[in-house]
Amino acid sequence: DTAVSQTPKYLVTQMGNDKSIKCEQNLGHDTMYWYKQDSKKFLKIMFSYNNKELIINETVPNRFSPKSPDKAHLNLHINSLELGDSAVYFCASSPLGQGTVGYTFGSGTRLTVV
Amino acid sequence: QQPVQSPQAVILREGEDAVINCSSSKALYSVHWYRQKHGEAPVFLMILLKGGEQKGHEKISASFNEKKQQSSLYLTASQLSYSGTYFCGTEKGRGAQKLVFGQGTRLTINP
Repeated sequence: DTAVSQTPKYLVTQMGNDKSIKCEQNLGHDTMYWYKQDSKKFLKIMFSYNNKELIINETVPNRFSPKSPDKAHLNLHINSLELGDSAVYFCASSPLGQGTVGYTFGSGTRLTVV
Repeated sequence: QQPVQSPQAVILREGEDAVINCSSSKALYSVHWYRQKHGEAPVFLMILLKGGEQKGHEKISASFNEKKQQSSLYLTASQLSYSGTYFCGTEKGRGAQKLVFGQGTRLTINP
């Protein structure tokens, strides 16, 4: 199926640990994103990558490090996890200069830091 | 800057109509609309580009007033499946690669 797939779907971890979330899209899109959705449902952009290059970094703490090995993959590594990092993280993709095509979101990773 | 949506929540009976508004203080290139059901990902509904066009998708349509930097989403003869949280997302320029979302409008449709 053509889609944006994220793994894992759920992640429960202790404060101070390091974790990674993986994202892959097979839509042939040029641009990929990470969004964070907090408990109040606010969707906030974190990073934007175009063809493996970082385009936007929305003043996200250095503990968050995205990596894009190729234009179909965008992973997110988080160091020294804090309670406030608990949220749902969505990966998304879109064609560059999308015209009438919107973003396609992955199913999300619910991160709980205890 | 985050666009502002109104109302924050709407409760309707099946068959009633709803309007959700999205306003920005900045000049916009495009407005997107998404629907998110509980525990799921946001799903793209439609995009409106600078030029004030109106778009339609089944019984859901939208308009974009470029002068006022406002967009409205119209849901007519609502169905139970329309329940969810609706988000508008705005872009300041073509290919901006940064969609900024409003705070969401929760729509509940009762039988």
